[in-house]
Amino acid sequence: DAGVTQSPTHLIKTRGQQVTLRCSPKSGHDTVSWYQQALGQGPQFIFQYYEEEERQRGNFPDRFSGHQFPNYSSELNVNALLLGDSALYLCASSFGTEETQYFGPGTRLLVL
Amino acid sequence: SQQGEEDPQALSIQEGENATMNCSYKTSINNLQWYRQNSGRGLVHLILIRSNEREKHSGRLRVTLDTSKKSSSLLITASRAADTASYFCATGVGNGQNFVFGPGTRLSVLP
Repeated sequence: DAGVTQSPTHLIKTRGQQVTLRCSPKSGHDTVSWYQQALGQGPQFIFQYYEEEERQRGNFPDRFSGHQFPNYSSELNVNALLLGDSALYLCASSFGTEETQYFGPGTRLLVL
Repeated sequence: SQQGEEDPQALSIQEGENATMNCSYKTSINNLQWYRQNSGRGLVHLILIRSNEREKHSGRLRVTLDTSKKSSSLLITASRAADTASYFCATGVGNGQNFVFGPGTRLSVLP
């Protein structure tokens, strides 16, 4: 039973560029959440997708957008990258309204 | 500011000792969860405690919740070097799917 997978594992971009991160949820899960974790900090909630719609959103600018596909996989897009967007981006999946989320290994983004 | 705040920020103990970490939060919650993270990798779910529960156990882990004080504690008994990691509490607010994480406690277990 595959857990949550994310790609790529590492990414280097320059300021102003755009980036797309990908996540495949744990088998049987239909809800995907994205988090940003700066170095030495706890994860910060970006948004959550369920049934291909954004269900909740944290305090992030609209440069951060996402998408969920019919197979429940998800993408996180960040436009006009800033140096401060450098972080570990974590995807977590869950089933319906169950409270426990399962996290992927993350994508480490470095913006130069 | 963040909903959850772990205390202490860092903790160093010897193998075999017990480790206690605390979490304080500010608003009413549906549940509180503890996660472990090794070296900046993905988070591993440890235990969930609901707002109507006071204590839960899972193996060497014991979690308590005091809703009147808006605080929780995580006790790891008989610690091992493999327990070295950052530990985060996350509070479930609203429908419980929007988790607010604290900054974490960095635990070092020395052999």
